[in-house]
Parts: sequence; C-alpha cells; structure tokens
Amino acid sequence: AQSVTQPDIHITVSEGASLELRCNYSYGATPYLFWYVQSPGQGLQLLLKYFSGDTLVQGIKGFEAEFKRSQSSFNLRKPSVHWSDAAEYFCAVYYGGSQGNLIFGKGTKLSVKP
Amino acid sequence: EPEVTQTPSHQVTQMGQEVILRCVPISNHLYFYWYRQILGQKVEFLVSFYNNEISEKSEIFDDQFSVERPDGSNFTLKIRSTKLEDSAMYFCASTSGRGNQPQHFGDGTRLSIL
Repeated sequence: AQSVTQPDIHITVSEGASLELRCNYSYGATPYLFWYVQSPGQGLQLLLKYFSGDTLVQGIKGFEAEFKRSQSSFNLRKPSVHWSDAAEYFCAVYYGGSQGNLIFGKGTKLSVKP
Repeated sequence: EPEVTQTPSHQVTQMGQEVILRCVPISNHLYFYWYRQILGQKVEFLVSFYNNEISEKSEIFDDQFSVERPDGSNFTLKIRSTKLEDSAMYFCASTSGRGNQPQHFGDGTRLSIL
C-alpha cells in the first residue's frame, strides 16, 4: 500500500539552529509532494509543493525541501529556526490515479527552545 | 487570499445523534474533500467530491457518513448516528485541480462525542 513515513515524532531545536524534517514515501510513478504545517488549534497551511522540475523547492516562511527520487525522500529544511516555527509538520503525497486525495504522514512535532 | 471556512469550530454531540459539519470551499474550486484527524494520529482521507457526486471514498466513510453540496457554496459532511470513535478533528479541503494543484484546508471542526 502507498504510504508516507515521517520517522521523527518529536524534534526539539534551539532557536537559530538549522532544521531538517524527514519524509519518505513508498514508490509511486509520479508523486506530487507537499509539506503542511499545523499550529495548535489551527488548520493545515501549505508550506510548499513539488510537482516536477527543480528538485529543490522554496516555500513560505523560509522553508525549502529537496526531492530525491533515488531515496524516495522529500525532506523539509530551514537554515535558522524561529520560535514561531513551533508546530506540527505533515508531509503529504498525491500518487495520481485517484481524485486527488492526499496520503499524510503521521507528522513531526517541532519544539523550539530559546 | 481566499480561504476555506468551516463551521462550527467545535461541536459537542451525544452519541447516537446526527451531526452536520459545514464547509465553504474557495469559490472557484472544483474538487472538495473531507479528512479527519483523531487526536494524536495522522490526517486520514474520508471522501472526495466532484461534479456533484462522490468520486472516491475511504473505508472509513461507511454508511453513517454522507456528503452534500446543497447549494453553490456549501459542502457538508453528515454523520447519521455518531459513535464515540467519531470524535476527531474534521478538515474540509478544496482545490481547483485534481492532484496537480495544492489543496487548501479549513481550520477544522473539532467533534466531541459524549
């Protein structure tokens, strides 16, 4: 079955430090990849997406992600984390062949310490 | 920027009662979705809706669930006879294009079944 894996349940980083959140997906011919962020009590906000082309994509709030087909990964990065980045981050994949329903990973909760 | 809006933000219902969750998708979007997130778990696809009919549904979306687009703006999810395990956050999403356009999510409705 198609799946999305976020191996880190909870990550804590210091403010100003760099961040990398991991996401791996099971094999799919043409995956469309997304990262969403969910602040407490809020909905899901799209950070960035990858459909094709350049494997390094830029998103909002200073985030970027790199698609690596050979590793089936789409890791999210930020060079310098701000306290306001504390939230839960979800990787999601659309595999095609369906009506567009996304398959989500379990999420990674990010805590930022001063 | 246009948003997906969901009402109510929190719904408390007795087990066995019917509940209707409401969503107003972005006006020019064509594909509509419901997802749910049980506390502490990942976001799960429930149903997709296009051209006034269900286009795909998950195994979660059993006979107790139904969706409707009663007019040109609202998109509703009805649970006929709620169970304790229906307690979750329910997200509505919409997109202008299947799969190759990002889905925009509402802030969710927290459903608590007593």
